[in-house]
Parts: sequence; C-alpha cells; structure tokens
Amino acid sequence: GAVVSQHPSRVICKSGTSVKIECRSLDFQATTMFWYRQFPKKSLMLMATSNEGSKATYEQGVEKDKFLINHASLTLSTLTVTSAHPEDSSFYICSARDREVTGELFFGEGSRLTVL
Amino acid sequence: GQQLNQSPQSMFIQEGEDVSMNCTSSSIFNTWLWYKQDPGEGPVLLIALYKAGELTSNGRLTAQFGITRKDSFLNISASIPSDVGIYFCAGRGPVHTGTASKLTFGTGTRLQVTL
Repeated sequence: GAVVSQHPSRVICKSGTSVKIECRSLDFQATTMFWYRQFPKKSLMLMATSNEGSKATYEQGVEKDKFLINHASLTLSTLTVTSAHPEDSSFYICSARDREVTGELFFGEGSRLTVL
Repeated sequence: GQQLNQSPQSMFIQEGEDVSMNCTSSSIFNTWLWYKQDPGEGPVLLIALYKAGELTSNGRLTAQFGITRKDSFLNISASIPSDVGIYFCAGRGPVHTGTASKLTFGTGTRLQVTL
C-alpha cells in the first residue's frame, strides 16, 4: 500500500520556539493532506486540510497563525507549530490521499511533540 | 458537528475469543472505515466499506456497513496477542454536507488480549 512518512517522529523543544514537522507521500502524489492531533487515549481530531498549491483549510477552533501549514509539492506538507507552549504537546499525525478521488487516506507514523 | 460513538471503550479478552465492536453516528455516512492504531504509531487501514449493507472481510476481520448508514460493526475472530491496540472507526459524509473530503473518527475501542 501507499506509504506516508513523517519526520521527526519525536521532538522536544523549549517553550517559545517553533517546530516543523514534515509529512511526505513516498510512492504516490497527494493533492490533499490532512493534519490531525491526538491527545493521550483520545481520538484523532482533524486540525486542517492541506491543499497543494493553495492555502490550508483549518477546522473551527484551530489557530491559523499558531499552526502554519505549507503544501508546496504533491509529496510534501509541513506543519509548523509556532511559539510552542507546553499545551501544544501532543501527537501530531498526517494523512494523505492518492490523487485519485476515491483513494483512501494513508497515515504517517505520527510525530510526538513535547514542549518543555 | 458529526460524532461517532464507539463501544465498548475497552475490552479484555482471552486469546482465541471472538471480538465485536461497533460504531454509531447521529448522521449518515457514505463511507465507513476501520483502522487499528498501535502505541506511538499512526492508524493503519483495516477495512473500507462503501455501500449500505456491505459486508467485507479481511482475514480474521469482518466489518459491515449498516443499512441505515448510521452504524458499522467490526468483528475479529479467534483473537491473537498481536490484535492488541486501539481500533477506530471513521466515516466520511455525503458530498452535499461538505464533509465528503474529511474523515470523522470514532472514540476508539482499546483491545487487550490475554493469553
């Protein structure tokens, strides 16, 4: 099946710094990628939809300036957590859909962010 | 917004037993998906369902798309230790609702298998 890779898998940073997480589709082109956030023992919550070549669409309650999303190519989307605070600590997961409209989502391995 | 409720929240079973979990929604979905998530990993797609009433199997797993399009169940037969993990249902709504491109995830069922 299609492979989606995230990097880094774990990151620890100091409060106030910015962290970038990459999501790559390794063997297919993805016009749309999705970013989720997951708290411990909770379900996945959609944060935003990343569209190649255009602005991301954010879900209600998600701060656009806090979580910057860039989808510059058909195989790469990035999520930058700006001025991170401890409450931003979470497991961030991306997913990507093959260019075919009916393609299902494939998920990355997730990135665990810890803000000290 | 749409919500998906899964039950049970967690279950402890013995190896070899069959497992059943379900997912219900307050609104209609056109697609039902079942994922498994291991600790510290992303979800992995197990089964996808696209038609009301559809029954689909993948090895020891069987899932059905409810006829009302508001529910789905997943069965695991003859469970083994590696079945441990969290199982999530996910749904995709009709095009006219504006949710066709998004997945809504259920609350999850945590499965633990004892020897």
